[in-house]
Amino acid sequence: NAGVTQTPKFQVLKTGQSMTLQCAQDMNHEYMSWYRQDPGMGLRLIHYSVGAGITDQGEVPNGYNVSRSTTEDFPLRLLSAAPSQTSVYFCASKARDGNTIYFGEGSWLTVV
Amino acid sequence: QKEVEQDPGPLSVPEGAIVSLNCTYSNSAFQYFMWYRQYSRKGPELLMYTYSSGNKEDGRFTAQVDKSSKYISLFIRDSQPSDSATYLCAMIEWEGGSEKLVFGKGTKLTVNP
Repeated sequence: NAGVTQTPKFQVLKTGQSMTLQCAQDMNHEYMSWYRQDPGMGLRLIHYSVGAGITDQGEVPNGYNVSRSTTEDFPLRLLSAAPSQTSVYFCASKARDGNTIYFGEGSWLTVV
Repeated sequence: QKEVEQDPGPLSVPEGAIVSLNCTYSNSAFQYFMWYRQYSRKGPELLMYTYSSGNKEDGRFTAQVDKSSKYISLFIRDSQPSDSATYLCAMIEWEGGSEKLVFGKGTKLTVNP
């Protein structure tokens, strides 16, 4: 059981470049979300989805875009990378009627 | 005032010590309380959860909730070096069919052999 899978694990980008962080889950969870984790700031919600075709903004959505075309996948797009987006990104999923949030292993992104 | 406050530490204890990790919260509507453990360079994993006030034990771990004081704690007995990690509290509020999840910022714990 793979759970929540994120790729890539590590990425270095130049300012202004765009990229997509991939997230897939094999638990048939309706809820998926993206967080960033920064020192002293904790986990901050970027975007979330309550099901295929439905997405909404979290606490820090600016500079990021998401889509949810299938239940399994929830990619996070950085439109024009900025040094302020240097962070660790976590994808998470949860069943609609469950309370346990399952996190991926994280994606370490550096923007230079 | 932030909805959930958690002392970031770091906390350093000798092996075998009893560890107490705490969070306070301001939203009395929170109904579900969790503790996540996050090892270095890994994603958080659920350690314990509880709905109600009182204590819940699981091996060396005890989760305590005091809703009247809006205070939750995680106790680790006979702490081991393998317990070295960041511990995050989390809380859920359900209202009108929607769900609100809030995490504490995490407390970094080091257990020294």
